[in-house]
Amino acid sequence: DGGITQSPKYLFRKEGQNVTLSCEQNLNHDAMYWYRQDPGQGLRLIYYSQIVNDFQKGDIAEGYSVSREKKESFPLTVTSAQKNPTAFYLCASSTPSSGGGAGELFFGEGSRLTVL
Amino acid sequence: AQKVTQAQTEISVVEKEDVTLDCVYETRDTTYYLFWYKQPPSGELVFLIRRNSFDEQNEISGRYSWNFQKSTSSFNFTITASQVVDSAVYFCALLNNAGNMLTFGGGTRLMVKP
Repeated sequence: DGGITQSPKYLFRKEGQNVTLSCEQNLNHDAMYWYRQDPGQGLRLIYYSQIVNDFQKGDIAEGYSVSREKKESFPLTVTSAQKNPTAFYLCASSTPSSGGGAGELFFGEGSRLTVL
Repeated sequence: AQKVTQAQTEISVVEKEDVTLDCVYETRDTTYYLFWYKQPPSGELVFLIRRNSFDEQNEISGRYSWNFQKSTSSFNFTITASQVVDSAVYFCALLNNAGNMLTFGGGTRLMVKP
């Protein structure tokens, strides 16, 4: 079945450690996104990529890094520089915009990161 | 900058009641797109609807209906005859004209009690 797979679903990290969250899609979408969700808040954009080998910072990119070496994959690394990394992370991909239309976002099931 | 506001952080209703979730947005774009997503306890966001800024017709899909009013920059979502399975967090979102910035509201947690 087509979709977006995020792993791991739950992750615990000690302070000072980097951790990488995986996001894979088999929908053949060009664009991929990483969002962070905190309790009682909406989703905030961390990074997005509209094409392979290119990505842009979102609203809260500090302390995070990404890569886009393959169309299917958009891993997110939460570095030790991220001061408050405990959150729920959602990966998404979207269909291309064409003829003035807008792509619908498809989301993975999320990864919950807890810093101990 | 664009902004989406969902003033209701939490709503509790009894099954079979109708409920309206409010969404107000701000944007400088003349063309934009509005979305509603549902987030059940599993965490995944489920797409419900997309609305183009040029299309102000209201839409009904089963028990769901949406009221888009450009004059008041609102895109409200009504669930008729709510059911327990409707319990979830609902997000309103705004996509800019360039199609590269999707801004979410803070979400409304809907609890439907039997």
